[in-house]
Amino acid sequence: AQTVTQSQPEMSVQEAETVTLSCTYDTSESDYYLFWYKQPPSRQMILVIRQEAYKQQNATENRFSVNFQKAAKSFSLKISDSQLGDAAMYFCAYRRAQKLVFGQGTRLTINP
Amino acid sequence: SAVISQKPSRDICQRGTSLTIQCQVDSQVTMMFWYRQQPGQSLTLIATANQGSEATYESGFVIDKFPISRPNLTFSTLTVSNMSPEDSSIYLCSYDSPAEAFFGQGTRLTVV
Repeated sequence: AQTVTQSQPEMSVQEAETVTLSCTYDTSESDYYLFWYKQPPSRQMILVIRQEAYKQQNATENRFSVNFQKAAKSFSLKISDSQLGDAAMYFCAYRRAQKLVFGQGTRLTINP
Repeated sequence: SAVISQKPSRDICQRGTSLTIQCQVDSQVTMMFWYRQQPGQSLTLIATANQGSEATYESGFVIDKFPISRPNLTFSTLTVSNMSPEDSSIYLCSYDSPAEAFFGQGTRLTVV
């Protein structure tokens, strides 16, 4: 069974600085998707960034980028120039065959 | 992407009663998914709902406790039956596109 592990229950960062959230996963498959979702207090799950496993190039979306290490089964999220609105729970997720498996989540606090 | 609406957004229920959560998508989708998010925890898939067939439940979830309906390609319901305080959670519906999963706003259920 696939598992997703986020080893940082909580992280904090000063506004405008950079923070990296860690995620590792376990799978025997070669074709899959990885995601980072953000869940603010509103409970709405918001896609931050996604990565197709067959792509070697790391995905980027504005201030958000990933470090995807397929052999190491690692998928970390880097948030640059952190903003107060980035404060939320962040979930790493693995998808294959339309089933999503989520990590335990990392609560990110932004200090003004 | 289709808009997905979920209701109620929250409810407080007496133990032993049942609550039905509704999820409406504004276009047809093949599969819909129901997740549970226990307090401070990650999302766990309850079941996958296809139109015209019985839902497929994940390990640890049973139809008698979480009956699901999928009468058409735009609508699904999840019922939490014979509730106990341990059922207090956020319940989310979801559908998939090739690029990402989209989620409803979630239902915060408190059982007293």
